[in-house]
Amino acid sequence: AAGVIQSPRHLIKEKRETATLKCYPIPRHDTVYWYQQGPGQDPQFLISFYEKMQSDKGSIPDRFSAQQFSDYHSELNMSSLELGDSALYFCASSSRGGQSNSPLHFGNGTRLTVT
Amino acid sequence: EDQVTQSPEALRLQEGESSSLNCSYTVSGLRGLFWYRQDPGKGPEFLFTLYSAGEEKEKERLKATLTKKESFLHITAPKPEDSATYLCAVSFGTSYGKLTFGQGTILTVHP
Repeated sequence: AAGVIQSPRHLIKEKRETATLKCYPIPRHDTVYWYQQGPGQDPQFLISFYEKMQSDKGSIPDRFSAQQFSDYHSELNMSSLELGDSALYFCASSSRGGQSNSPLHFGNGTRLTVT
Repeated sequence: EDQVTQSPEALRLQEGESSSLNCSYTVSGLRGLFWYRQDPGKGPEFLFTLYSAGEEKEKERLKATLTKKESFLHITAPKPEDSATYLCAVSFGTSYGKLTFGQGTILTVHP
């Protein structure tokens, strides 16, 4: 079965640089969620989109922005990177987000290292 | 404060030794409680969703149960390939997909 695809798998950036992470949801899923997981930490919710509109917002820094495109893929843009941004970034998708109890399915994440 | 607490933090079992993992929660308006399995360097893999007290779900050697305050993940006759971190998460209030995770239980099953 098709899963959530994230790219790149690994990304190394220097402080103050920018990064763009991409997420391709499971076909026919219209909702995407972004989570950040620091070393030894549980995943923390950042932001979500339903039908290309932001549906919820968590602890996402102002330096980060995200959007969902017409084909439902999503991109997380991160600027002025800091050492503390080093983490695993997961994307998850579901169908009819907020309107049904469809579970979230996660991708394998992008490991971002800021040096 | 809305919280999800998992115990134990780590659990070592011998192959075939059954046990249970606990997830206690204090949230208002629970919409769903989720169990995920996470292998190192990979994303959480969905296992179960539970919605109401008394509900039970099973999949192979795993069985999840839910009460008004906690959930248990029972592992029957585990195998080494069951070794992973098991995460519990809840959604509550108006946000279905905004999951609040517990810290996880690291399960190691020795042959």
